[in-house]
Amino acid sequence: EPEVTQTPSHQVTQMGQEVILRCVPISNHLYFYWYRQILGQKVEFLVSFYNNEISEKSEIFDDQFSVERPDGSNFTLKIRSTKLEDSAMYFCASRDRGAGANVLTFGAGSRLTVL
Amino acid sequence: DAKTTQPNSMESNEEEPVHLPCNHSTISGTDYIHWYRQLPSQGPEYVIHGLTSNVNNRMASLAIAEDRKSSTLILHRATLRDAAVYYCILRDVWNYGGSQGNLIFGKGTKLSVKP
Repeated sequence: EPEVTQTPSHQVTQMGQEVILRCVPISNHLYFYWYRQILGQKVEFLVSFYNNEISEKSEIFDDQFSVERPDGSNFTLKIRSTKLEDSAMYFCASRDRGAGANVLTFGAGSRLTVL
Repeated sequence: DAKTTQPNSMESNEEEPVHLPCNHSTISGTDYIHWYRQLPSQGPEYVIHGLTSNVNNRMASLAIAEDRKSSTLILHRATLRDAAVYYCILRDVWNYGGSQGNLIFGKGTKLSVKP
């Protein structure tokens, strides 16, 4: 079964450092998402991306965050200057359109620990 | 998207059926009812969705009340692997084909399965 792949599975960084989390969505999917989940809390929407641009973002997704689809397969989330409160699991998701539009497929997540 | 209400937690015995309720009294006519689950240390996973009629798939069944103000996810024979947080989410069908279509997660129901 096709899957969304995320790397790294765990990253530890110092406060103020830049972090890039990588995702390989399902190959024929057109819509891409980043979510995060702070330990013990809800899964929160960060941003959606379609046709090489951001289509929607939450208030969490401030100027410190950016997303990019640098080539035909990768979808990245960059945090420019990490803060302690950025420590969380970050989930990438993708979906198709048409008949497959109702299902988001999530990756296993990248755990970010900011010290 | 309209709001849903679920119990915080439920317990079940292995190999017995489980009925997970969800109330959505403010559902609109174009809202689909989606269920996702999140196994421990994993990303969310699609379970099932429906609009008006009851639905079955290999994972579960979805029973939708006639007035659509509530629904029930049914796991026919719970296994230990079904222990997860189950999320009931409403999504407007008009968002499907659009560039958004993101899911908004609540707290869900934490299902424990006893051997």
